[in-house]
Amino acid sequence: DAGITQSPRHKVTETGTPVTLRCHQTENHRYMYWYRQDPGHGLRLIHYSYGVKDTDKGEVSDGYSVSRSKTEDFLLTLESATSSQTSVYFCATRLAGSTDTQYFGPGTRLTVL
Amino acid sequence: QKEVEQNSGPLSVPEGAIASLNCTYSDQGSQSFFWYRQYSGKSPELIMFIYSNGDKEDGRFTAQLNKASQYVSLLIRDSQPSDSATYLCAVKDLYGGSQGNLIFGKGTKLSVKP
Repeated sequence: DAGITQSPRHKVTETGTPVTLRCHQTENHRYMYWYRQDPGHGLRLIHYSYGVKDTDKGEVSDGYSVSRSKTEDFLLTLESATSSQTSVYFCATRLAGSTDTQYFGPGTRLTVL
Repeated sequence: QKEVEQNSGPLSVPEGAIASLNCTYSDQGSQSFFWYRQYSGKSPELIMFIYSNGDKEDGRFTAQLNKASQYVSLLIRDSQPSDSATYLCAVKDLYGGSQGNLIFGKGTKLSVKP
């Protein structure tokens, strides 16, 4: 494991409120990823980071923003949560120059009412 | 469109049997392939990766890759009830540059009956 933690682990919020999910890693991995997992869709990439302050969009980035001010932290923000963003969110990390293997955090279950 | 396809299952096998999980991908030229296991309510964990055509064995697990036919499979020998989980196939995105982005299939649910 890459020593990845996610917080919070569970969150219930209301439509229209901002939400920030945090991913923290202790392994100094350069690459970090945010995915969402929904029944019938599998894991889909939201945003990723290839270094401090270097981020890019994934497949399903609409409604999400990210920030990475330190190597160890990658934040995912829902500016105005919608019910369609109810999902399980996973963070993953990858070591630069490695086998492309991604290691996953424990996940955050988000419910938007 | 980039796609990774898996049979959603459930695939049910008796304890001690061989479980065979299959995955096809759309991007000819893809080079890196991964199998992850995900228990219900947990995060994906890597089982193995494979880059070269042929078989790669790790304990009870064997990954098989055929780039010409664009499929990768996972065999689990002597299946145990503890192998019951969803298995995710992932392929490195050809167009992701050095970012190592993976494209995941939707997963196959395996059930091993005692």
